[in-house]
Amino acid sequence: ETGVTQTPRHLVMGMTNKKSLKCEQHLGHNAMYWYKQSAKKPLELMFVYSLEERVENNSVPSRFSPECPNSSHLFLHLHTLQPEDSALYLCASSQAVGEETQYFGPGTRLLVL
Amino acid sequence: GQQLNQSPQSMFIQEGEDVSMNCTSSSIFNTWLWYKQEPGEGPVLLIALYKAGELTSNGRLTAQFGITRKDSFLNISASIPSDVGIYFCAESGNTPLVFGKGTRLSVIA
Repeated sequence: ETGVTQTPRHLVMGMTNKKSLKCEQHLGHNAMYWYKQSAKKPLELMFVYSLEERVENNSVPSRFSPECPNSSHLFLHLHTLQPEDSALYLCASSQAVGEETQYFGPGTRLLVL
Repeated sequence: GQQLNQSPQSMFIQEGEDVSMNCTSSSIFNTWLWYKQEPGEGPVLLIALYKAGELTSNGRLTAQFGITRKDSFLNISASIPSDVGIYFCAESGNTPLVFGKGTRLSVIA
């Protein structure tokens, strides 16, 4: 049990849809992360939040919009996605940014049609 | 950017066999991490290494931080079916984690 939950676990959306991914951590951590995992590619860091402030944005297209209303919740808002955005989106948390022990959620499997 | 090279990319082994996989980097890092990801789940931390030359065990798993601080290996002894998954190495310098592409392990009963 990782203490990091993600919803939904699976999502199918059209390119014109708007949807949101949700992550919640119950570990009292101050840092939260969004990663993208595509087949045959390394985990790609997308966004990093520390105490609700975005501290890193790894050149992610604007069709992905993160939101961190508090240190326990992290959202990823999706709009006008492309089929190549289909992937597993993983949320993680750690005590602090740079703290190497990151705890991952189970991910949201996204398919864009 | 920083890159981690993991090998092999995939392995098929018989239950009971020992497994060895490694990870190399062109840069020096302060911390090496090994994660395991099972199907339908997120990665779970197995072992963390903090010192060059450090050898750490966690049950049937043993990992070592290379002396040059540019490589690490992970060994699994007496493999069992539940060892199936993707094993990722990751490094932590002063930036958030960088992950390798993973070694996919299949265990044949």
